[in-house]
Amino acid sequence: GNSVTQMEGPVTLSEEAFLTINCTYTATGYPSLFWYVQYPGEGLQLLLKATKADDKGSNKGFEATYRKETTSFHLEKGSVQVSDSAVYFCALIETSGSRLTFGEGTQLTVNP
Amino acid sequence: GAVVSQHPSRVICKSGTSVKIECRSLDFQATTMFWYRQFPKQSLMLMATSNEGSKATYEQGVEKDKFLINHASLTLSTLTVTSAHPEDSSFYICSASYRGQGNTIYFGEGSWLTVV
Repeated sequence: GNSVTQMEGPVTLSEEAFLTINCTYTATGYPSLFWYVQYPGEGLQLLLKATKADDKGSNKGFEATYRKETTSFHLEKGSVQVSDSAVYFCALIETSGSRLTFGEGTQLTVNP
Repeated sequence: GAVVSQHPSRVICKSGTSVKIECRSLDFQATTMFWYRQFPKQSLMLMATSNEGSKATYEQGVEKDKFLINHASLTLSTLTVTSAHPEDSSFYICSASYRGQGNTIYFGEGSWLTVV
């Protein structure tokens, strides 16, 4: 079956530090890949997505590249802000499906 | 992006009563919606898949008679927690599949249920 593995958290950084949250996946076929962000007490917001190999998703300074050869979709941001503190979920959907497979989530805390 | 709205965002109910949570896709039609439950500091647990015009598909271990799901239209799915107990207190989140954007899933804001 499908699976998504994220780096374990929590991750604590200082403001303006570089962020990487690793995500690797196992799936048949060619899934679409997503990063969602969940702020405290809220639902999930789509942060970025990529639908095919070598696609780069980007939004709000965050980036992730769909690497089929390493089955990875690592999230990066060059300079984090306190407001980026949240839980980040990596997820995938099979090409013919509509059901998300989630990673466990990574808690990010950014200190001033 | 597409918008999915949940209502109510917070609800408190007494033990033994039922409570309904609505999930609406505001600017697109969603043939498939999903209901999740999230415990503190954990990932989302899929409860059921809701298909418009047909019965919901429940995940193993989820009581379908306790968590009633209805998907009466292409923009509305409801979750009714029947005979609620304090252990049903949780954060419930819905999502909807938007095939118009490469099968992207959008989430509602979530609903906090507290059973007292």
